[in-house]
Amino acid sequence: GQNIDQPTEMTATEGAIVQINCTYQTSGFNGLFWYQQHAGEAPTFLSYNVLDGLEEKGRFSSFLSRSKGYSYLLLKELQMKDSASYLCAATDSNYQLIWGAGTKLIIKP
Amino acid sequence: IAGITQAPTSQILAAGRRMTLRCTQDMRHNAMYWYRQDLGLGLRLIHYSNTAGTTGKGEVPDGYSVSRANTDDFPLTLASAVPSQTSVYFCASSDGSGGSNTGELFFGEGSRLTVL
Repeated sequence: GQNIDQPTEMTATEGAIVQINCTYQTSGFNGLFWYQQHAGEAPTFLSYNVLDGLEEKGRFSSFLSRSKGYSYLLLKELQMKDSASYLCAATDSNYQLIWGAGTKLIIKP
Repeated sequence: IAGITQAPTSQILAAGRRMTLRCTQDMRHNAMYWYRQDLGLGLRLIHYSNTAGTTGKGEVPDGYSVSRANTDDFPLTLASAVPSQTSVYFCASSDGSGGSNTGELFFGEGSRLTVL
């Protein structure tokens, strides 16, 4: 079956760096998304990777290894506003999105 | 700039009642989607539409129906609500059709539905 695994919850300190991992098993693969979702709000797009490697976008970077079925989201210089859930989603051979349950990130002062 | 608008934002209804969740987008996106989000689970696709006039079933379509009469509107109907349909429902749209889901999804603010 198709599956996305990511940690349920992580805690980090303001100003630090945190890496949120995601592993996926899909029938075919056409790219991986990361979304941010603040409590009670809609998900918003962070990144899309289809090729191996690191994509950097300001304080946020996303990495993909297709051979390992693995991605991570790296958040640098953490701010309190980064407290949110981070959703990993992979696109299968039919271009359908398979979503992970999300990682709740708690930032402490 | 409105983006995607959902209504109602919150609703409590009795089991057995019919309910329609409305979704309107002003971005002229081809593809639209309905998801439900439950605690501890990932977003689950209910129904989708690649373009006006076409719809398709997602992962959890039972008990739900949709229509896509035009580009902008994509209502979701629960014909006879049951408590297991208590959830947060998100409507989303994207530039690409379901056959090329490489574009980002734009989500509405969600509709919190409680079925008693």
